[in-house]
Amino acid sequence: GAGVSQTPSNKVTEKGKYVELRCDPISGHTALYWYRQSLGQGPEFLIYFQGTGAADDSGLPNDRFFAVRPEGSVSTLKIQRTERGDSAVYLCASSPWGTYNEQFFGPGTRLTVL
Amino acid sequence: RKEVEQDPGPFNVPEGATVAFNCTYSNSASQSFFWYRQDCRKEPKLLMSVYSSGNEDGRFTAQLNRASQYISLLIRDSKLSDSATYLCVVNIPMDSSYKLIFGSGTRLLVRP
Repeated sequence: GAGVSQTPSNKVTEKGKYVELRCDPISGHTALYWYRQSLGQGPEFLIYFQGTGAADDSGLPNDRFFAVRPEGSVSTLKIQRTERGDSAVYLCASSPWGTYNEQFFGPGTRLTVL
Repeated sequence: RKEVEQDPGPFNVPEGATVAFNCTYSNSASQSFFWYRQDCRKEPKLLMSVYSSGNEDGRFTAQLNRASQYISLLIRDSKLSDSATYLCVVNIPMDSSYKLIFGSGTRLLVRP
């Protein structure tokens, strides 16, 4: 079956611009997570959705970052006024509700801010 | 102190060798533990969960010591295809949810 998909796979933008990154989770998975991974580091938690609501957004680094999941499926991570330090791979993962087990990751979006 | 700490490596071993990775975590409330594998420029994928009693999956053995807050992964009879980064992952309960905390990973290179 289809796994988690993310678009675009690569995004190059200029400092100060706005970007949107999209995640399409596995069908039926109610939990959705966003992570950010910098070179040589493990994924860093950003935000977790259970259904349509953000259950935990404690990992968002500042108010330039925002994420939505209006219909409980597709999610969009939005970054305003991008900075060079935002350059990283943004990973999305999903899992069935109520599980403490496996999260399934998408291939990620590689964001480069020039 | 990082919440999950791992030796970054790289561990460079010949085919057929046995190699062990260690990981420590700081949050004693952690409930679940995992090893994920990540190939270069790919997404992380679950390798195995780690249970208190220790568990084995083929050539891979994982162990958990809750008292010492320590997790290990042993790989026997290393294959070239085992070359990857191994991420130690800890599940931390939050108020109404939980989140995964990843270590920085240990890089393994298996040479012919």
